[in-house]
Amino acid sequence: EAQVTQNPRYLITVTGKKLTVTCSQNMNHEYMSWYRQDPGLGLRQIYYSMNVEVTDKGDVPEGYKVSRKEKRNFPLILESPSPNQTSLYFCASSPRLAGGYNEQFFGPGTRLTVL
Amino acid sequence: AQKVTQAQTEISVVEKEDVTLDCVYETRDTTYYLFWYKQPPSGELVFLIRRNSFDEQNEISGRYSWNFQKSTSSFNFTITASQVVDSAVYFCALSARETGANNLFFGTGTRLTVIP
Repeated sequence: EAQVTQNPRYLITVTGKKLTVTCSQNMNHEYMSWYRQDPGLGLRQIYYSMNVEVTDKGDVPEGYKVSRKEKRNFPLILESPSPNQTSLYFCASSPRLAGGYNEQFFGPGTRLTVL
Repeated sequence: AQKVTQAQTEISVVEKEDVTLDCVYETRDTTYYLFWYKQPPSGELVFLIRRNSFDEQNEISGRYSWNFQKSTSSFNFTITASQVVDSAVYFCALSARETGANNLFFGTGTRLTVIP
C-alpha cells in the first residue's frame, strides 16, 4: 500500500531532550516536506526537500533540523525542544513531476507535547 | 507574497443543508494551483481537489462542487445535502512558483459541524 508513515504517533517529552520524528514514504517520491499544525494557524511548512541531500527552509524552521540521506526517509530533529514546539506534525511527499504543483500525500501525523 | 484566507473559522449546519466554504487567495504569480484538503476528526489529511490557474471551469464530484473565480481570487467549496460524515476541518491551500511550485501554503481552515 502506498503510504507515508510517521513515528512515533504520540510523544510527550521534556524541554531540552533531543528527539527525532521519523518519516518514510514508499512511493519513490522526490519531494518531501514537514508541516506543523496549530489551532487557528493552519498548517505551516517547517522544511522541505526536493531530492536526496537537498533541503530548504520553509516558513517556520527555527528550532528544527532535517536530513535527506535516502530518498524514502526525511526525519525531523528537535535538538532542544521547547514548549512552543508542542504541536501536531505532518510529513508529506509528492512526485516531482515536470512543472511541480503536485498533490501531496500526508502521513498520519505526530502529536508532540513538550513539557 | 502569497496568502490564503479562510474567513469562516467554524460553521454549523443541520444535516441535508447545503454549505459553502470560502477561500480567498493572493499571489503575484500567473501560474498557480489551488487545493482543498479535508481533515476528519481522526486527524489525517485527505486530498479533495487540485485546480490550476488557467482552468476556471467549475468542478463537481458527487455532492462536492468547487467554484473558481480569478476575478475575485476565490476558490469556494460547496457541499450539497450535507451529511454528518462531512464534519471535519477543511483547508484551502495554494501552490505558486514564487515560493516553490511544490510547496503548499495553507489557510487557517474552516471547521464544519453537521448536526444530525
